[in-house]
Amino acid sequence: QKEVEQDPGPLSVPEGAIVSLNCTYSNSAFQYFMWYRQYSRKGPELLMYTYSSGNKEDGRFTAQVDKSSKYISLFIRDSQPSDSATYLCAMNRDDKIIFGKGTRLHILP
Amino acid sequence: ETGVTQSPTHLIKTRGQQVTLRCSSQSGHNTVSWYQQALGQGPQFIFQYYREEENGRGNFPPRFSGLQFPNYSSELNVNALELDDSALYLCASSTKREHYEQYFGPGTRLTVT
Repeated sequence: QKEVEQDPGPLSVPEGAIVSLNCTYSNSAFQYFMWYRQYSRKGPELLMYTYSSGNKEDGRFTAQVDKSSKYISLFIRDSQPSDSATYLCAMNRDDKIIFGKGTRLHILP
Repeated sequence: ETGVTQSPTHLIKTRGQQVTLRCSSQSGHNTVSWYQQALGQGPQFIFQYYREEENGRGNFPPRFSGLQFPNYSSELNVNALELDDSALYLCASSTKREHYEQYFGPGTRLTVT
């Protein structure tokens, strides 16, 4: 079993819809949970990070962590075509960051 | 504030050759991490440098090596290149204390033929 599992998609949703992206993990030692956005042929861009279980909101983005279920989510409200990208979940362990495979998201105009 | 920069942008090498990739960290950051990202995959941790010493290593062979300089910039060296080394190589900088908050450069795309 991989430490971090993420559905690669692609996920296609109409503009304005709420997007839900998810990851599961197996290692309870993970402390911080991050979401990155990566456009084609670019480096990943840090969107948000959280430490504890619960929700964290930043503009149209909400990150949710459920440590009891080892499950994290990223919600995007009022999705825009410019949100089309690959979204990577990531978690840290011993100063290392472990990434999921990424989910390709397409927002349809 | 200057972000993370990497050079070169693209590189084509032949199997068996050696390559050096370079990274300048973001202002105020003292820790540099290197990742390999194959097509369709998430970044894989290669190693991290802090205070000019390796501070953690992923599952990569010794032919992957690195350096960090007093100005916190870094190099990734790969010897005896193999076809499977073709990938996007990403550098990320952070502070040691907030190592989870990493900021990435644009990457170097390496093609081994």
